[in-house]
Amino acid sequence: GENVEQHPSTLSVQEGDSAVIKCTYSDSASNYFPWYKQELGKGPQLIIDIRSNVGEKKDQRIAVTLNKTAKHFSLHITETQPEDSAVYFCAAMEVGAQKLVFGQGTRLTINP
Amino acid sequence: DAMVIQNPRYQVTQFGKPVTLSCSQTLNHNVMYWYQQKSSQAPKLLFHYYDKDFNNEADTPDNFQSRRPNTSFCFLDIRSPGLGDAAMYLCATSRDLGTAYNEQFFGPGTRLTVL
Repeated sequence: GENVEQHPSTLSVQEGDSAVIKCTYSDSASNYFPWYKQELGKGPQLIIDIRSNVGEKKDQRIAVTLNKTAKHFSLHITETQPEDSAVYFCAAMEVGAQKLVFGQGTRLTINP
Repeated sequence: DAMVIQNPRYQVTQFGKPVTLSCSQTLNHNVMYWYQQKSSQAPKLLFHYYDKDFNNEADTPDNFQSRRPNTSFCFLDIRSPGLGDAAMYLCATSRDLGTAYNEQFFGPGTRLTVL
């Protein structure tokens, strides 16, 4: 089955700087890669996703890149703000089982 | 606004006392999922319904059951909660299981405490 590794587990950046979180996956057949933001005591919120037929997708300060050959994808947050502080999860869609496999999560802290 | 709603947000139960968690959705999605999330961990899929078809994950304990009486509602029943079942329980929906419509949208979760 699919296996997703996420790094780093914690990340601290200064407000205004950029943050990058990286994930690798094992199943080359996986074709859908969402990113979720989870604030304390709340459910995960889908913030951006990418499908295997594109290499990059942007939405304002957030971008995701996908390298199918290397089987890794990354979340980029620019001009970080205190409200970006949260736990971020990457995931990959396991095609055979049609279920999401999550990474272990990254706790992002934005320092004012 | 279309959304996924979970009730209650916080549930306290006693060891061994059955408990039911509720999820409803106004998105009219075909698929409803239940996840268990323990502290500082990723969500773990327990099972999902595609319409009325129930799909259990192989490692989901028999203690966990689910019901979906209609498109909008789905319930998680824990027959005999143990201390290890204390967690956040997340409901999610997706329009379909196919490649084009498989975005999952999560509810706010129910935090279960077992005394």
